[in-house]
Amino acid sequence: AQSVTQPDIHITVSEGASLELRCNYSYGATPYLFWYVQSPGQGLQLLLKYFSGDTLVQGIKGFEAEFKRSQSSFNLRKPSVHWSDAAEYFCAVGKRSNDYKLSFGAGTTVTVRA
Amino acid sequence: KAGVTQTPRYLIKTRGQQVTLSCSPISGHRSVSWYQQTPGQGLQFLFEYFSETQRNKGNFPGRFSGRQFSNSRSEMNVSTLELGDSALYLCASSWGQGLFGVEQYFGPGTRLTVT
Repeated sequence: AQSVTQPDIHITVSEGASLELRCNYSYGATPYLFWYVQSPGQGLQLLLKYFSGDTLVQGIKGFEAEFKRSQSSFNLRKPSVHWSDAAEYFCAVGKRSNDYKLSFGAGTTVTVRA
Repeated sequence: KAGVTQTPRYLIKTRGQQVTLSCSPISGHRSVSWYQQTPGQGLQFLFEYFSETQRNKGNFPGRFSGRQFSNSRSEMNVSTLELGDSALYLCASSWGQGLFGVEQYFGPGTRLTVT
């Protein structure tokens, strides 16, 4: 069964500092990969996705992620965080077969200090 | 283009009652998926509908059911509510086929509280 691991439950960063959120997956083949962000009381917003091709993908709000097949990882990065980036971030995987569901990691809560 | 809408946004029910939640997908999307989000279990897949047919189902009891209408709108129903059903229920829509079929867009959720 596929699984998604986000090793960091909570990360605190200073405004203007860089941010990296880790995501590892366990799956027999390269899945489709996604990062979502959730602000308190809100739904999930798609930040970026990896389907194929260039392993460095750009998303919205200045985020990027890098797919590393050898490490089964899809880490999310942002060079300089803003206070508005405080939220919960979820990594998700989807199968390449006809199985249109997503499996999510447990999430990483990001706190931004002034 | 309007996003995914869910109604109602908040709901309070009593144990033993039943509840129906509604989801309207993004225009043109034919797949609707439902997820349950709780602090303890995280985001868990309930079921997915495409063209009025349930294509995939998660590991939830039969008290959880859903359906999809010809206009792709979807409802989920929970019967005989239990305290543990208190959660944020999220609906997501996607094209449901092809390369980008699994790319899902989420609604704001329905917060269900069972007392």
